[in-house]
Amino acid sequence: AQKITQTQPGMFVQEKEAVTLDCTYDTSDPSYGLFWYKQPSSGEMIFLIYQGSYDQQNATEGRYSLNFQKARKSANLVISASQLGDSAMYFCAMREGTGNQFYFGTGTSLTVIP
Amino acid sequence: EPEVTQTPSHQVTQMGQEVILRCVPISNHLYFYWYRQILGQKVEFLVSFYNNEISEKSEIFDDQFSVERPDGSNFTLKIRSTKLEDSAMYFCASSPTSGPRNEQFFGPGTRLTVL
Repeated sequence: AQKITQTQPGMFVQEKEAVTLDCTYDTSDPSYGLFWYKQPSSGEMIFLIYQGSYDQQNATEGRYSLNFQKARKSANLVISASQLGDSAMYFCAMREGTGNQFYFGTGTSLTVIP
Repeated sequence: EPEVTQTPSHQVTQMGQEVILRCVPISNHLYFYWYRQILGQKVEFLVSFYNNEISEKSEIFDDQFSVERPDGSNFTLKIRSTKLEDSAMYFCASSPTSGPRNEQFFGPGTRLTVL
């Protein structure tokens, strides 16, 4: 089974609108961390937001928020007030327990339309 | 702000040649990683390195690959006898500690093209 599933290969959003990028995960480890990274066309991986499995509140970082639904094993990224510079690939990733590796999803390509 | 750096940004090599990809992790970080991303696909874990030894590796990281921390700052990935399917973006990352909470800081990547 895939550790991280991103079911939206491509998304479009109007500038200044909000958009939700879906991510579901699969783990039996009670301790895990969920991350979102942005990859613009230049290729680098930019950290956006983190959610811990024991965190009581949904994470927020500026215009980014994470809709964490533990029972559903989902960690959707919400980008509010989209900007043209938000156009990029977005990857959801998970790290389990004391493990070292990140498991990445296949990514969602977001295009912001002016 | 400290960042992970990688050189070269793009490497072109002939099939069967050896390549060394270089990374300088953030200076006070203790854990180092290599990932690869084949064009259009997801990022895949290759290996993690701590205390001068490999702490975890994936099935992709076979005998063709090796990692080394030759000095106090560099972290290298060597690919022996490159194959066409090794063409990918290779990312180095580092983190201050391990555990689920710790963000990995990624470098800008090296694009490897095997001809």
